[in-house]
Amino acid sequence: EVQLLESGGGLVQPGGSLRLSCAGSGFTFSNYGMGWVRQAPGKGLEWVSSVTPGGDNTFYADSVKGRFAISRDNFRNTVSLQMNSLRADDTALYYCAKDASNSWFDYWGQGIWVTVSS
Amino acid sequence: EIVLTQSPATLSLSPGERATLSCRASQTVSNYLAWYQQKPGQAPRLLIYDASNRATGIPARFGGSGSGTDFTLTISSLEPEDFAVYYCQQRSSWPRTFGQGTKVEIK
Repeated sequence: EVQLLESGGGLVQPGGSLRLSCAGSGFTFSNYGMGWVRQAPGKGLEWVSSVTPGGDNTFYADSVKGRFAISRDNFRNTVSLQMNSLRADDTALYYCAKDASNSWFDYWGQGIWVTVSS
Repeated sequence: EIVLTQSPATLSLSPGERATLSCRASQTVSNYLAWYQQKPGQAPRLLIYDASNRATGIPARFGGSGSGTDFTLTISSLEPEDFAVYYCQQRSSWPRTFGQGTKVEIK
């Protein structure tokens, strides 16, 4: 059974940093791209970032480019999202998702909250 | 950035009725469009990919069609568990984008 478990969320002040992690199991982690999608309270889905299976290519939404960095460790079966210079509008539920095939997300974690507030 | 516009914002229907949801892209995405379902308090679920292919385990009452800029998700006969929010998403170009969602509610 495919499982994705996010960790690392919480409350952070504007301008602060946070690192999210996602542990994958039940599939050959190194064969699949991974992504992060967020959902602000009461709002729709927003794609944030993706990384290719080997970690050699990364992609970002314009809203986070230069502030967020995605990475993966295929030995530990984890993908991470380093979030710097956080703003109030980064407040959201962040989902980790498995990329079935070039950005179709077929499995999702339950999400983890990030709240940016003073 | 490709903008996806979904309509209507809300669809009020009764169980057993047919639901037709629309997603229009600001430029062509070929057939690189997916549909997701999201219920309250749950993560999204992939329903349809590449415009018309059902994902694993998705019932046959869900169908997708379209190409280029105009796409449709059809639920042939609504079951009680189908009342949810539906999102389209494109993978034709970076950044990947989602539509704003269509809520299918019980009439």
